[in-house]
Amino acid sequence: DVKVTQSSRYLVKRTGEKVFLECVQDMDHENMFWYRQDPGLGLRLIYFSYDVKMKEKGDIPEGYSVSREKKERFSLILESASTNQTSMYLCASSSTGTSNEKLFFGSGTQLSVL
Amino acid sequence: EDKVVQSPLSLVVHEGDTVTLNCSYEVTNFRSLLWYKQEKKAPTFLFMLTSSGIEKKSGRLSSILDKKELFSILNITATQTGDSAVYLCAVVAGNNRKLIWGLGTSLAVNP
Repeated sequence: DVKVTQSSRYLVKRTGEKVFLECVQDMDHENMFWYRQDPGLGLRLIYFSYDVKMKEKGDIPEGYSVSREKKERFSLILESASTNQTSMYLCASSSTGTSNEKLFFGSGTQLSVL
Repeated sequence: EDKVVQSPLSLVVHEGDTVTLNCSYEVTNFRSLLWYKQEKKAPTFLFMLTSSGIEKKSGRLSSILDKKELFSILNITATQTGDSAVYLCAVVAGNNRKLIWGLGTSLAVNP
């Protein structure tokens, strides 16, 4: 069965800390995505990657960076966490091809920055 | 600006009712429309629609796309408490196949 795994379900960090959110997929997908989801704002794309070592900015990349050293792993980094980064973070992956729009999501990480 | 609007924002029904969720869109270079169900945390894929008038069906759920009027509906018949979730609609558009998400419809099915 298809699986996207996010390392933590809940995370509490302090303002200014460096935060790593990890995502691993076992489907050999080329494409990986990081979203944040906030009430009233829906899903917003932070960064995405179409291949190893490649990254593209999404709609709200400020305050975030990403790393994709291996095909199966896509990490989201908050260099210096701030309270406005408190959110639900969702990782997703998809394959390249005619149905590449079909995203498979991880279970999400609820991050609280205090 | 590309946009996807879902209605209603929330809905409360009783078990056994039939519900219709709406998703309208205004995008440049439409590619496809996707429906997802989000319970607790992870959205799970329901349907992908690319052609008008062709109904997609899975059990009690069905969906159809109207590319002339720019909307899709998701129908759930004989609702169950397990159908309680947020239903998300997304449209794939543009040469870069970007996903534009609606805000979702929160459905609560009461016993």
